[in-house]
Amino acid sequence: EAQVTQNPRYLITVTGKKLTVTCSQNMNHEYMSWYRQDPGLGLRQIYYSMNVEVTDKGDVPEGYKVSRKEKRNFPLILESPSPNQTSLYFCATHRGTEAFFGQGTRLTVV
Amino acid sequence: KQEVTQIPAALSVPEGENLVLNCSFTDSAIYNLQWFRQDPGKGLTSLLLIQSSQREQTSGRLNASLDKSSGRSTLYIAASQPGDSATYLCAVGRRTGGFKTIFGAGTRLFVKA
Repeated sequence: EAQVTQNPRYLITVTGKKLTVTCSQNMNHEYMSWYRQDPGLGLRQIYYSMNVEVTDKGDVPEGYKVSRKEKRNFPLILESPSPNQTSLYFCATHRGTEAFFGQGTRLTVV
Repeated sequence: KQEVTQIPAALSVPEGENLVLNCSFTDSAIYNLQWFRQDPGKGLTSLLLIQSSQREQTSGRLNASLDKSSGRSTLYIAASQPGDSATYLCAVGRRTGGFKTIFGAGTRLFVKA
């Protein structure tokens, strides 16, 4: 079954404590991306990756890092989380122009 | 800067009604436009994808149209059902300045039985 798997699904953390949200796909897609979703703002693209070792900023990259060392994984790293990064995060892959989304990670930074 | 707007923000209709959701975008230089459905607490499911060279796509009771020149897309849902209740998002893909996808804020639909 084609899947995009994010972990964890829920996370509560404290300001400044580094965290990583993992994303893994089993579809061998080259293009992957991270989004955050906030009420009234819709989904905003944080970072995307066109292939292994190729990453680029989306519209709201500040405070985030990503890496793409292998095709199937695309982790999102928050080096020093702040309360304004409390949000619902989605990882997605693309086959051509069709997008496949993970189930989301709800992050709360206190 | 590309902006995507969806109107209305919320919609409540009785079961069986045909309805139209609207999406507008400010920059007509798009690569594609995609409609998604999002159920509470879940991820996004792709409904329809329209390439920039196309004018419409259909899937079952859903029909999406695209008018690039006017910066508009509509999602038509025929004979709505309570199971259609969800948030519907449109997203514009562009390739200038990198491959990016820009979403609207969504329309929350409630279909009453």
